[in-house]
Amino acid sequence: NAGVTQTPKFRILKIGQSMTLQCTQDMNHNYMYWYRQDPGMGLKLIYYSVGAGITDKGEVPNGYNVSRSTTEDFPLRLELAAPSQTSVYFCASSAGGAFSPLHFGNGTRLTVT
Amino acid sequence: GIQVEQSPPDLILQEGANSTLRCNFSDSVNNLQWFHQNPWGQLINLFYIPSGTKQNGRLSATTVATERYSLLYISSSQTTDSGVYFCAVYTGTASKLTFGTGTRLQVTL
Repeated sequence: NAGVTQTPKFRILKIGQSMTLQCTQDMNHNYMYWYRQDPGMGLKLIYYSVGAGITDKGEVPNGYNVSRSTTEDFPLRLELAAPSQTSVYFCASSAGGAFSPLHFGNGTRLTVT
Repeated sequence: GIQVEQSPPDLILQEGANSTLRCNFSDSVNNLQWFHQNPWGQLINLFYIPSGTKQNGRLSATTVATERYSLLYISSSQTTDSGVYFCAVYTGTASKLTFGTGTRLQVTL
């Protein structure tokens, strides 16, 4: 019963460094999402995907890139990390987009100093 | 875009008390979901409820889509209910959820 798995759990980056946040799901869900949650705030959508090979921007895509080469994996790439990207990042998936429940991973806490 | 507002923003209850959390949205929606974020940061899906009423143990939810609101009821609250409760909505043909502002609940002994 793995569900949605995110790695790493925690990471500290220096300004200007790059990294990839990994997300994998074992539920054969077509829809996958990346959200960020700043301290004391709600969730904002960064990117989403409705199937392998298809991605689209959310509310706050600047400074991030994604790819979806398989149904299971949806990595999020940060290029040239900035302090404004300090946040908790959540990956999520659902079977049918608007018509099915959304399942979240446990999050990655990222600090950029 | 659609606005999703939750009330109250903060709530403190004694264990055993009941509460109602409200979610208002500014446009018609395809469906609505309620989530609980526990003190460790995990987000748990509580209800998928585009309309009508659903119950799960001490929790129940009602969505009145025509009047653009949803309610989450917590009965006989326990300390494990503490955390932040979010509602989230899908609109139009978009395949993405818009999250509300959240209600932070603290249940004390």
